[in-house]
Amino acid sequence: TQLLEQSPQFLSIQEGENLTVYCNSSSVFSSLQWYRQEPGEGPVLLVTVVTGGEVKKLKRLTFQFGDARKDSSLHITAAQPGDTGLYLCAGLNAGKSTFGDGTTLTVKP
Amino acid sequence: KAGVTQTPRYLIKTRGQQVTLSCSPISGHRSVSWYQQTPGQGLQFLFEYFSETQRNKGNFPGRFSGRQFSNSRSEMNVSTLELGDSALYLCASSFVAGNYEQYFGPGTRLTVT
Repeated sequence: TQLLEQSPQFLSIQEGENLTVYCNSSSVFSSLQWYRQEPGEGPVLLVTVVTGGEVKKLKRLTFQFGDARKDSSLHITAAQPGDTGLYLCAGLNAGKSTFGDGTTLTVKP
Repeated sequence: KAGVTQTPRYLIKTRGQQVTLSCSPISGHRSVSWYQQTPGQGLQFLFEYFSETQRNKGNFPGRFSGRQFSNSRSEMNVSTLELGDSALYLCASSFVAGNYEQYFGPGTRLTVT
C-alpha cells in the first residue's frame, strides 16, 4: 500500500506570513499533484510535478518534487486569507492516485 | 465550459438500502474517476472509467460498482449500505485516462442512518 503523509495536519497563521507544507512517502511516484479544496467543493488541481528535483512556481506558491520522487513540498509566500483551505497532495502510479490526508490551512486577516 | 456536475448533492439513506450517484463530466472528457472522502480515511480512489470500460479499481468491496455510458456520463452504485459508507463521494473527469489532469465535481454528500 502506498501512503502519503502530510505535515502539518493543521496550520493557522496571520496574513503576510510564509509557510511550508510537506508531503512524504516511502514509495516512488511517477508524478505528484497538489490540490486545494474549499468547504462544499471538490479539490482543484494546482500543479503537477513530474521530474525529480523539479520546482514549479505559481504566483506566490512554490512546489518542489524531491530528487527521489518520494516527497514534495508546497511553500506559500505572504499568505492571504484567500489561501485558506485544505491542501492535498496526490501521488500517481499506474493511473492510480493516492492522496495524503491533507493540511488544513487557515490564514487570519 | 461547464464543469463537472454531480447529482444529487445531498442524500440520506438507511442501512441496507442501495444508492445510485450520477456524474456528468466536462464536455469532451472521456475519463471519469470516483473517490470517497471521509474525515478518518481521507480521499480514496474507488475506480476509473474510460470509454465505457473500467480501467482501474481501488480497494473497495464489491458493494461499490460503477458504469459509464456512451456519452461519458457515469453512475456509481453502492448496495447494502453500511453506516461507514457515509462520506462525500467525488467524481473527477479528465480528457485522457490515468488521473493525470483531473477536474473534480462538488461531490455528493451521502449520510447513512
